[in-house]
Amino acid sequence: AQSVTQPDIHITVSEGASLELRCNYSYGATPYLFWYVQSPGQGLQLLLKYFSGDTLVQGIKGFEAEFKRSQSSFNLRKPSVHWSDAAEYFCAVGKTSYDKVIFGPGTSLSVIP
Amino acid sequence: DGGITQSPKYLFRKEGQNVTLSCEQNLNHDAMYWYRQDPGQGLRLIYYSQIVNDFQKGDIAEGYSVSREKKESFPLTVTSAQKNPTAFYLCASSPGQRTDTQYFGPGTRLTVL
Repeated sequence: AQSVTQPDIHITVSEGASLELRCNYSYGATPYLFWYVQSPGQGLQLLLKYFSGDTLVQGIKGFEAEFKRSQSSFNLRKPSVHWSDAAEYFCAVGKTSYDKVIFGPGTSLSVIP
Repeated sequence: DGGITQSPKYLFRKEGQNVTLSCEQNLNHDAMYWYRQDPGQGLRLIYYSQIVNDFQKGDIAEGYSVSREKKESFPLTVTSAQKNPTAFYLCASSPGQRTDTQYFGPGTRLTVL
């Protein structure tokens, strides 16, 4: 069965430090990949998505993610974290355009001033 | 402004009562979804609808029911058969295919006393 893992349940970084959130999936082919962000008590907002082409994807709010087929990974990065980035981050994967999207368990990000 | 509205934001019910959560969208999207969110478990799909008057069960449909009589509305009923209904419920919509970007509402937190 298709699955999505986010190995880090919670991460704490200092403001201005770099950030990398990990995401791995079990499906072998190139899936549809997403990163969403959720502020406390709110809905989710799309940060970026990858369907094909350039494996480095730019998103909103200064985030980027890199698809690595050999590692079945789609890690999210940001060079300099802002206090407003504190939130829950979800990786999501869809096998084909007609399959459901499966969400990972999420990584909670705290930012120290 | 286009978007998705969910009401109410907080809902309290006594055990054994049915309760209906509202979800409305004015994005002219064909597809709509209901997710349940519990701490540490990410989002789990309850029901989805690709078109008016049609809907499909997701992974955790037991104890829930939906209707899709209008394109813009997709209400969720949490019935007394749902054994553990206390959770955060998120509604989403997308243009059509299931791997399109999903747009989320602000959520409804249901507490069953």
